[in-house]
Amino acid sequence: DVVMTQSPLSLPVTLGQPASISCRSSQSLVYSDGNTLLSWFQQRPGQSPRRLLYKVSNRDSGVPDRFSGSGSGTDFTLKISRVEAEDVGVFYCMQGTYWPWTFGQGTKVEIE
Amino acid sequence: EVQLVESGGGWVQPGESLRLSCATSGFTFSTYRMHWVRQAPGRGLESVATIISNGDSTAYGNSVKGRFTISRDSSKNTVYLQMGSLKPEDMAVYYCAREDQTGSADYWGQGTLVTVSS
Repeated sequence: DVVMTQSPLSLPVTLGQPASISCRSSQSLVYSDGNTLLSWFQQRPGQSPRRLLYKVSNRDSGVPDRFSGSGSGTDFTLKISRVEAEDVGVFYCMQGTYWPWTFGQGTKVEIE
Repeated sequence: EVQLVESGGGWVQPGESLRLSCATSGFTFSTYRMHWVRQAPGRGLESVATIISNGDSTAYGNSVKGRFTISRDSSKNTVYLQMGSLKPEDMAVYYCAREDQTGSADYWGQGTLVTVSS
């Protein structure tokens, strides 16, 4: 299985400040059609995961533009330009290029 | 509005079986691949099983292969997960998820808790 490695696993942040999460895969995530199937999810306490970004950098409907994604091949990054209180939770990267889907360990974002 | 509603979770003893259901609405069920993803208490997310839109092909995570079976009923817009020979390590919240054209899960259910303990 493709191993997804996130860092850091815990991220204390100050309101209004930027935050960044790294995700690395053990294999290239470029699919046969040329797309890179890397997604980011947020899971707030007690809730189901909610997708924020798909194919590396495409925001889902309703996702604030303070969330952005970048990267290619095996190295990816989620950035929050200015953290807000509602951003607390655990963030996961996920690869959909290979079966089974695999997820990073999760990065817990909390407000300092 | 797209909705995925899981049911069927509960407490079982090791070695027993359980069937989960995921009732869907708000979209054309027969055109989407569906997934089961689980999350052990305090842990991360793990893919369990997937089934293509017409039900003709399935795939499983290594930890459940040979014990779990995913299926779907287009007349009921429902996907199922038949779980057998349950182990304590199968204890988790089981989520149903819809895969969209981006190779990712765009909608998730609220989850159903499966507890395996003697």
